[in-house]
Amino acid sequence: NAGVTQTPKFQVLKTGQSMTLQCAQDMNHNSMYWYRQDPGMGLRLIYYSASEGTTDKGEVPNGYNVSRLNKREFSLRLESAAPSQTSVYFCASRRYFGPGTRLLVL
Amino acid sequence: AQSVAQPEDQVNVAEGNPLTVKCTYSVSGNPYLFWYVQYPNRGLQFLLKYITGDNLVKGSYGFEAEFNKSQTSFHLKKPSALVSDSALYFCAAGLGGSQGNLIFGKGTKLSVKP
Repeated sequence: NAGVTQTPKFQVLKTGQSMTLQCAQDMNHNSMYWYRQDPGMGLRLIYYSASEGTTDKGEVPNGYNVSRLNKREFSLRLESAAPSQTSVYFCASRRYFGPGTRLLVL
Repeated sequence: AQSVAQPEDQVNVAEGNPLTVKCTYSVSGNPYLFWYVQYPNRGLQFLLKYITGDNLVKGSYGFEAEFNKSQTSFHLKKPSALVSDSALYFCAAGLGGSQGNLIFGKGTKLSVKP
């Protein structure tokens, strides 16, 4: 029982590049979430999925897309990365958080 | 707008002394409230939650939190601080009765000195 897993752990991108952050949970939860953490700002919700097949915008969705692939997996995509997206990204399944992905956009 | 406030950026406590990390909330309806701890370069670890019932909630590692509806507060407490408690603490409120759609406070850095 791994809980919530995220890949990759760390990524460096150039401005304009795209990438997908992967998240999976093995707790059979319906709801999953993507947050970003920036210094002095706490965590802010990007997108969430209340159940398989549904996704909704959170507080800061611009520049991101998500896919709820199945009940286990919820991915976050940056189509054209910008330096403002440099952050630490956390996936959550209900109240349980993954270890995070540290993203640096140059 | 709904919000969670942690009025102290940093709290300094001597080891063995009691600690309090403050949190107030402004959320419509009956809130779900949470405390998380984050160690450097790590994810968030769940400490405790309040959904309903007893206003004093006990959680992991000897932490507890007191829900006060009239003051809209949910302060985190521990009777005797340890150096290993030094970390970043986040208070969060669940929107719409959710345990995952959370609004976070900005965090409070707890420093426990020997």
